[in-house]
Amino acid sequence: DAKTTQPPSMDCAEGRAANLPCNHSTISGNEYVYWYRQIHSQGPQYIIHGLKNNETNEMASLIITEDRKSSTLILPHATLRDTAVYYCIVRVGDSNYQLIWGAGTKLIIKP
Amino acid sequence: EPEVTQTPSHQVTQMGQEVILRCVPISNHLYFYWYRQILGQKVEFLVSFYNNEISEKSEIFDDQFSVERPDGSNFTLKIRSTKLEDSAMYFCASSLTGKAFFGQGTRLTVV
Repeated sequence: DAKTTQPPSMDCAEGRAANLPCNHSTISGNEYVYWYRQIHSQGPQYIIHGLKNNETNEMASLIITEDRKSSTLILPHATLRDTAVYYCIVRVGDSNYQLIWGAGTKLIIKP
Repeated sequence: EPEVTQTPSHQVTQMGQEVILRCVPISNHLYFYWYRQILGQKVEFLVSFYNNEISEKSEIFDDQFSVERPDGSNFTLKIRSTKLEDSAMYFCASSLTGKAFFGQGTRLTVV
């Protein structure tokens, strides 16, 4: 089973920041938090990942709490094309094997 | 940006037939994966492949399934004696580190 908990759905207005929460209270010290998204039924797309520190790239920012039991993915200026299912996944850092997928959060960006 | 390519995009087969799904991973990647997603359900891990052998597989990946990297560039998933419940999107992925890149999938329909 997935080691994360996410709200099933969220709405966000176009142009606003979308903040997607994720709980991973059983995360271990060597486990990373990864975020992927899936637009319609396309192949999942990597967004960002982190271990302890906050991370930012061209797509998003990842805020991880100090106790690492939860995190938030931030899309700073959401567009209609960001409508997708967003998955928060915990995986062992030195493992390049399976990703365990939960149900994710269906994010709907509204004009 | 380099990408994972999958062929065909859609395959229809009769129950009991064998199918081969093909993938061309990103050229310098070392880890290869197959996932599947039954319509409306979660993405499920099938198998990971490293150094020319299976490194991990799920309970779904039984004797009906096999993978191969026949020529150093292609990565294939063979499903023998297909069943109706094998109908799904099949995604190939590859990675060099923990960040996996996914193809656009093959929609397999078993009739």
